[in-house]
Amino acid sequence: GAGVSQSPRYKVAKRGQDVALRCDPISGHVSLFWYQQALGQGPEFLTYFQNEAQLDKSGLPSDRFFAERPEGSVSTLKIQRTQQEDSAVYLCASSRSARYEQYFGPGTRLTVT
Amino acid sequence: GENVEQHPSTLSVQEGDSAVIKCTYSDSASNYFPWYKQELGKRPQLIIDIRSNVGEKKDQRIAVTLNKTAKHFSLHITETQPEDSAVYFCAASKDGDYKLSFGAGTTVTVRA
Repeated sequence: GAGVSQSPRYKVAKRGQDVALRCDPISGHVSLFWYQQALGQGPEFLTYFQNEAQLDKSGLPSDRFFAERPEGSVSTLKIQRTQQEDSAVYLCASSRSARYEQYFGPGTRLTVT
Repeated sequence: GENVEQHPSTLSVQEGDSAVIKCTYSDSASNYFPWYKQELGKRPQLIIDIRSNVGEKKDQRIAVTLNKTAKHFSLHITETQPEDSAVYFCAASKDGDYKLSFGAGTTVTVRA
């Protein structure tokens, strides 16, 4: 079946702009995770949803970052007033439920100029 | 929180030789250890995983071993091929806190 998809694949934002990144998980997957991957580094956890409930947002770096999954499927990661340090690849992953394997999307590469 | 360390950061091997990547973790409650392969510009792909109730798991040319006492786990790739060239990440998580904590990655280059 179809894997995890993300859009846009690339986003260039001027510093101070707001951006919204979309994740379409594998159909039927209950759990959804967002990670941030800086160049040359491993992914770092941002936030986790089980269905529509955001159960863990401990990795969000500041209150400029906000994520939602209102109907328990598609999720959006929003970054307000982008800063240069927000430049990274944002990865979404989904799993059947929290204890199962996580499958990653292709990521959105965000560049803040 | 969990801290995962991964070594080496780069690894160059001759085609046909074996490659070994090692990871250590800090949280003794961690019980799930996946390995991901990431080619340049692509998504991380799960290649093998192991849970703490087993010590070793094998899938064709890939194997993972886990030493819970020492809190380390390793990826072994045998008979390496050029298509094995990629960045490999180890990760750890635990029941009740399912986020993955990743190592910094190992860039593997297989020389033809």
